[in-house]
Amino acid sequence: GQNIDQPTEMTATEGAIVQINCTYQTSGFNGLFWYQQHAGEAPTFLSYNVLDGLEEKGRFSSFLSRSKGYSYLLLKELQMKDSASYLCAVRGGYGQNFVFGPGTRLSVLP
Amino acid sequence: DGGITQSPKYLFRKEGQNVTLSCEQNLNHDAMYWYRQDPGQGLRLIYYSQIVNDFQKGDIAEGYSVSREKKESFPLTVTSAQKNPTAFYLCASRTGTQYEKLFFGSGTQLSVL
Repeated sequence: GQNIDQPTEMTATEGAIVQINCTYQTSGFNGLFWYQQHAGEAPTFLSYNVLDGLEEKGRFSSFLSRSKGYSYLLLKELQMKDSASYLCAVRGGYGQNFVFGPGTRLSVLP
Repeated sequence: DGGITQSPKYLFRKEGQNVTLSCEQNLNHDAMYWYRQDPGQGLRLIYYSQIVNDFQKGDIAEGYSVSREKKESFPLTVTSAQKNPTAFYLCASRTGTQYEKLFFGSGTQLSVL
C-alpha cells in the first residue's frame, strides 16, 4: 500500500524557524513534492526532491532521505502569510501518480 | 498567461441531480487529474488522463465520470450515485516529462442543497 504521514497541526512564532516532517511508504519512488495551500485556494508548488539531501530555495528548504522514507520542509524567518497547510506528496507506484499526505496546518502567531 | 481554469467557483447540487465541473488548461500539458479534498484530509485522486481520449480511474472513482475529448479540457461529472459529494474539487495538469510537478486550478466547492 501507500501511506504518507504528517503532523496535523503546528504553531510557531513570527520570525522563528519551523520544521514540518513527512514520512512515506510507497511502492516505487519518483520524487517528493511539497505544496503550500491557503484555505479555499489551489495548492502552489514549493519544492521537489528526488535525490537524498537538502534543496534550498530562499526561506524554504526541503530535505530527503530515501532510505528512511523521510522528508522535511524547513521554513525560516516565518511571516504571518506563511500560515497555511503544507502538503507532502510522493510520485510513484502504479500509473506514476501523486499520493498526498493529509497536510500540516501551520499557524504563525505574532 | 498560461494556467488552469476551473468553473464555477461554487456549485450547489440538488438531490438526484448530476452536475459537471469544468477544467480547462492552456499549458499544452498532456496529463490531467481530478482530486477531491475533504476538510482535514489530503487530496484523493478521482480520475486521471495521460493523453486525449484516454482516462483511468483513481482511488475514489465511484459516482464520478470524466471525458477527455480535447487536450485542453477534462470535465468531471458528479453523478447522483455519489452520495456524499460535498467537497472541494481540484483539477491539475502536468507535462509528460518524468520529473514535472502538478499545476492546480483554483478549485470548485460543491455543496448539496
